[in-house]
Amino acid sequence: SYELTQSPSVSVSPGQTARITCSGDALPKQYAYWYQQKPGQAPVLLIYKDSERPSGIPERFSGSSSGTTATLTISGVQAEDEAEYHCQSADSSDIYVFGTGTKVTVL
Amino acid sequence: QVQLQESGPGLVKPSETLSLTCNVSRETISHSYWGWIRQPPGKGLEWLGYIYYSGNTKYNPSLKSRLTISVDTSKNQFSLKLNSVTAADTAVYYCTRVLTSSSLTGYFDYWGQGTLVTVSS
Repeated sequence: SYELTQSPSVSVSPGQTARITCSGDALPKQYAYWYQQKPGQAPVLLIYKDSERPSGIPERFSGSSSGTTATLTISGVQAEDEAEYHCQSADSSDIYVFGTGTKVTVL
Repeated sequence: QVQLQESGPGLVKPSETLSLTCNVSRETISHSYWGWIRQPPGKGLEWLGYIYYSGNTKYNPSLKSRLTISVDTSKNQFSLKLNSVTAADTAVYYCTRVLTSSSLTGYFDYWGQGTLVTVSS
């Protein structure tokens, strides 16, 4: 079955930049989406269609995609950004798939 | 702002059927697609399936033989039934709105708070 691979964890100091990658063979043909999930809460949509930001999402969150890798960038990380981040896309049959998740720790 | 709320038993016995309902408010259910996602404790997210108000469905092939999603437009609700459950089906179950089209990879813009369902005797 199709998989989206994320690095398990990223540690970053406040004010620095965090980059989270998501790798998948179908990403050149499918959009990537990103969700933030804090403990005990439902995921929240952060980025859609590779790089679009829903209303209400801070500008420090941005997305990009090139080839088989999508990237979520958090510029000027804040303590409140400590969370699990999940990428999501679809395979060639339009079956939705989530990434393995990346835990972001703010030092 | 669309609101979704899951409801159903928090404990299901092995081999029985897990049934959940999602109540949708501030949005007419006939305007969108609606889906279910689950997350086993300490693990990642898994898409289960979605339904359109017309009844058209799409399921994750890994669960297709056990899963049924239905919609009740009169109550503005949709439901999930997963039969022959095992401990591996223990998870937080989320209902979501799905944005999708023939030219767009679908995604999930509104989520319920989630409900934990434990499969145990």
